[in-house]
Amino acid sequence: QKEVEQNSGPLSVPEGAIASLNCTYSDRVSQSFFWYRQYSGKSPELIMSIYSNGDKEDGRFTAQLNKASQYVSLLIRDSQPSDSATYLCAFDNQAGTALIFGKGTTLSVSS
Amino acid sequence: KAGVTQTPRYLIKTRGQQVTLSCSPISGHRSVSWYQQTPGQGLQFLFEYFSETQRNKGNFPGRFSGRQFSNSRSEMNVSTLELGDSALYLCASSLAGGPSEQYFGPGTRLTVT
Repeated sequence: QKEVEQNSGPLSVPEGAIASLNCTYSDRVSQSFFWYRQYSGKSPELIMSIYSNGDKEDGRFTAQLNKASQYVSLLIRDSQPSDSATYLCAFDNQAGTALIFGKGTTLSVSS
Repeated sequence: KAGVTQTPRYLIKTRGQQVTLSCSPISGHRSVSWYQQTPGQGLQFLFEYFSETQRNKGNFPGRFSGRQFSNSRSEMNVSTLELGDSALYLCASSLAGGPSEQYFGPGTRLTVT
């Protein structure tokens, strides 16, 4: 059974701080990893994809992947109240035809 | 480019009825995936279609079915509705299917009474 583990939170950080979100996965074959942001009452929005080991930066967001440790993380620098949302990590199944999602970490950024 | 559209946005049905949900992917995207989201189970994969063929199916009963048309639009059908089918049903499209980036529609909120 392929699984994704995320700390459900809530993770609370002050405005301007770095928020660190973590995810572990069980399937060593997975090649593709994604971070989605979901605001309350809305659908998930893709914010980062990462396919190879190391870091990938996009604006205030940095995704980090370590396939040997089966670990992916998302760092949000200079956190803003508008970043308050649930963050879902996902990875592809072995056939590459489905995404397996974690249950999400709720982030709260206080001003 | 227009995003993924889903209709209807909200539905209220009674137990035993059936329902059909529709999804139009982003123009040029050929893969459509369907997910069910509930507070307890999170986002769970239902099935994925690519070029009118179902390539993968999640662990859901046969009451859940789908199809894809030649224009890549997809429909999902749930027969003999149960209270536990109340959920947000999300469709996501991607360019070529597989692990490529998926973009979600706004979802259909189904309530079964």
